[in-house]
Amino acid sequence: GENVEQHPSTLSVQEGDSAVIKCTYSDSASNYFPWYKQELGKRPQLIIDIRSNVGEKKDQRIAVTLNKTAKHFSLHITETQPEDSAVYFCAASDQTGANNLFFGTGTRLTVIP
Amino acid sequence: DAGITQSPRHKVTETGTPVTLRCHQTENHRYMYWYRQDPGHGLRLIHYSYGVKDTDKGEVSDGYSVSRSKTEDFLLTLESATSSQTSVYFCAISVSGTGDEQYFGPGTRLTVT
Repeated sequence: GENVEQHPSTLSVQEGDSAVIKCTYSDSASNYFPWYKQELGKRPQLIIDIRSNVGEKKDQRIAVTLNKTAKHFSLHITETQPEDSAVYFCAASDQTGANNLFFGTGTRLTVIP
Repeated sequence: DAGITQSPRHKVTETGTPVTLRCHQTENHRYMYWYRQDPGHGLRLIHYSYGVKDTDKGEVSDGYSVSRSKTEDFLLTLESATSSQTSVYFCAISVSGTGDEQYFGPGTRLTVT
């Protein structure tokens, strides 16, 4: 099955700086890559996703890039704010009919005011 | 919240007892999923369903069974709970109709003593 690795496990940035989280995946057939944000005690929330026919996608301060050749994708958060502090998870889909997701182990982002 | 509820939200049970967790959705989505979340492991798929009475195993299905007799309900059963099944359980639904774009329920915190 798919194997997703995520780095770093923790990340601290000053408010206003950028944050980058990177993930690699093993199955070259994977074609869907979502990112989730999870605040303490809450459910994971889908914040952005990208499909394999697109190299980059942006939504306000959040962007995701995908390099299918290298099998890695990254989340970029610009102009970070304290409310961006959370755990972020990447995931990659497999190629079963259900497009099951395999998740990375998470990155705890702390934005220091 | 994509119309997903989970019950109970918290449960403490003893080793060897059966436990059933319920996921309910209000929007007739075809795909439903059960995940468990443990520190250091991210989210791992237990079972999923692609329609009424259509279910399949995920990454960590041992010790769990599921049933889906109605579109709106997906039940997860621990036949004989063990301490290793202490976890937070999340249900998810796919809004896309193809298995991606998954949204999560609020979660159930299960403690097996």
